[in-house]
Amino acid sequence: ETGVTQSPTHLIKTRGQQVTLRCSSQSGHNTVSWYQQALGQGPQFIFQYYREEENGRGNFPPRFSGLQFPNYSSELNVNALELDDSALYLCASRLSGMGETQYFGPGTRLLVL
Amino acid sequence: RKEVEQDPGPFNVPEGATVAFNCTYSNSASQSFFWYRQDCRKEPKLLMSVYSSGNEDGRFTAQLNRASQYISLLIRDSKLSDSATYLCVVNRGTGGYNKLIFGAGTRLAVHP
Repeated sequence: ETGVTQSPTHLIKTRGQQVTLRCSSQSGHNTVSWYQQALGQGPQFIFQYYREEENGRGNFPPRFSGLQFPNYSSELNVNALELDDSALYLCASRLSGMGETQYFGPGTRLLVL
Repeated sequence: RKEVEQDPGPFNVPEGATVAFNCTYSNSASQSFFWYRQDCRKEPKLLMSVYSSGNEDGRFTAQLNRASQYISLLIRDSKLSDSATYLCVVNRGTGGYNKLIFGAGTRLAVHP
């Protein structure tokens, strides 16, 4: 196991609602990235946080936002949910400066109806 | 056009077969390269990094051609447990910033 946990494992929401997904990084990892994986596609980079600051973002609208806490756990918030937001959301953690290997959590499967 | 392109497969091969996956990437600024494996409804797991000199890990061999922007993965002596989706990944970040760009994956099914 990678030591990265995510909650909840599954979630059903309706269009227009807001959702918060949570990630607990591997101990000591100060960098976390979030990805969205639609069915049949590879994961797409949403953003990365390093020491509580967003330091990189993919091609996602502002309604996707995040937080990283002093204990390096993190959240992904999505406002005004759309049907196309239905996907597996993955977080991945690593220790900056100690190689590029990212350790993925098991993901949260979000269904928007 | 996607930044990382892979043949989606599926590749259906018998146990013991040798199978090769190819991948191309379009951004020459990509810094590092990987193959990840993803089992059905699970998270991606790093299989191996890919270097220009080529690298081998047991039955797996990966190769990078920067000039052609082409990455390959060769699996020898396929096992049933190799059945999974193989994701080609490039890192466009530098320094402390990692931006992994994933291909859509190639499905491999190994049968008895």
